[in-house]
Amino acid sequence: DSGVTQTPKHLITATGQRVTLRCSPRSGDLSVYWYQQSLDQGLQFLIQYYNGEERAKGNILERFSAQQFPDLHSELNLSSLELGDSALYFCASSVTGFTEAFFGQGTRLTVV
Amino acid sequence: AQTVTQSQPEMSVQEAETVTLSCTYDTSESDYYLFWYKQPPSRQMILVIRQEAYKQQNATENRFSVNFQKAAKSFSLKISDSQLGDAAMYFCAYRSAWGGGSQGNLIFGKGTKLSVKP
Repeated sequence: DSGVTQTPKHLITATGQRVTLRCSPRSGDLSVYWYQQSLDQGLQFLIQYYNGEERAKGNILERFSAQQFPDLHSELNLSSLELGDSALYFCASSVTGFTEAFFGQGTRLTVV
Repeated sequence: AQTVTQSQPEMSVQEAETVTLSCTYDTSESDYYLFWYKQPPSRQMILVIRQEAYKQQNATENRFSVNFQKAAKSFSLKISDSQLGDAAMYFCAYRSAWGGGSQGNLIFGKGTKLSVKP
């Protein structure tokens, strides 16, 4: 157990819908990262937050947004979902941006 | 931009034997970190080993060791005494040691699927 908790583990939703994925980082970790893992694109970095502030952005679509709350948990919001958004979404956390990142078990999103 | 390449989509090894997974990367930075992550069927991403670019000594963690060739930008993973539980996808990853636009995020290769035969 990495100490990073992601909910839900599985999510099935229809095209056009909006979903929210939640991540609770390890105790003491200030930095949260979101990654998307799909068969065609592999593992891609989406966005990073550090202590509530956005720190870096990767290949995140405009339909996607995220935030980190004062208690340091983070949410990834995916809207206007398309079939191609079906993927495994990972959250990872680290103490800072320069220490080990530990991954949650991921949320498997299926868009039908 | 940094890139990570794993040229072996699949590898197979006999139980108790040794296998080496390859990884090359491209970067203009002089200071960075390299990692190998394991993803078993449970899909959990597990850190196997890390290497700091400024360290010449190759990292080792029990049966896992790396061959880090900085000039060649090569970072291979050797698994000794392979066990059935080693069967998984293995991802090589790069992380910059500096801030700027990308602070701490990992850049992954496409992965190598390792099978272990009993």
